[in-house]
Amino acid sequence: QVQLQESGPGLVKPSETLSLTCTVSGGSISGDYWTWVRQPPGMGLEWIAYINYNGDTNYNPSIKSRGTISVDTSNNQFSLRLTSVTAADTATYYCARLLEWRLPRGGHYHYMDVWGRGTTVTVSS
Amino acid sequence: DIVMTQSPLSLPVTPGEPASISCRSSQSLLRSNGYNYLDWYLQKPGQSPQVLIFLGSNRASGVPDRFSGSGSGSDFTLKISRVEAEDVGIYFCMQVQQAPRTFGQGTKVEIK
Repeated sequence: QVQLQESGPGLVKPSETLSLTCTVSGGSISGDYWTWVRQPPGMGLEWIAYINYNGDTNYNPSIKSRGTISVDTSNNQFSLRLTSVTAADTATYYCARLLEWRLPRGGHYHYMDVWGRGTTVTVSS
Repeated sequence: DIVMTQSPLSLPVTPGEPASISCRSSQSLLRSNGYNYLDWYLQKPGQSPQVLIFLGSNRASGVPDRFSGSGSGSDFTLKISRVEAEDVGIYFCMQVQQAPRTFGQGTKVEIK
């Protein structure tokens, strides 16, 4: 059974770069889609970005080109890098797998079927 | 961005009784293939979210059949036929129709 585990710095200073890693165990990172979602304290969920097995990426415009999502197949990990962080980036960050569901009449759909436990990041000087 | 609006935002429930959550989208989530591009997730206290429903009405693997999703276009409902104590938490709908994926504000379900 696939499991995900986020790792990160916990505390980042404003204007610096946040780097998060999600380690995939119990399965291969190849052949699937992977995503990051965050949740500011006491608030709702915000989708950040995803990457697929071809290396294609998609980002939420809300992060204004500050984000980079990447996959490291040799270590079965994927990562999120967020530059120029501010207090607004303070959140619990979740990584998740986007499971592919083949539609009967062609095409496919992806939904988040496995989530990590989340890692809390605080942006503060 | 597509705006997702849930109601109510707080829902006190009685174990054994049914419960219902509404989710409305600012644009239609129905594609020409006939599918509604909407998921439902539950975040239990202190846990990460877990998927309940995808494509508007498909129960994810392992989800009890007391959970059901319905609706089409811009109006969706998540129903719990008989609430159990373990169902407490925050329920989110999320649209997959258009990037970026966006979530509703969440509905907090608590036992009365």
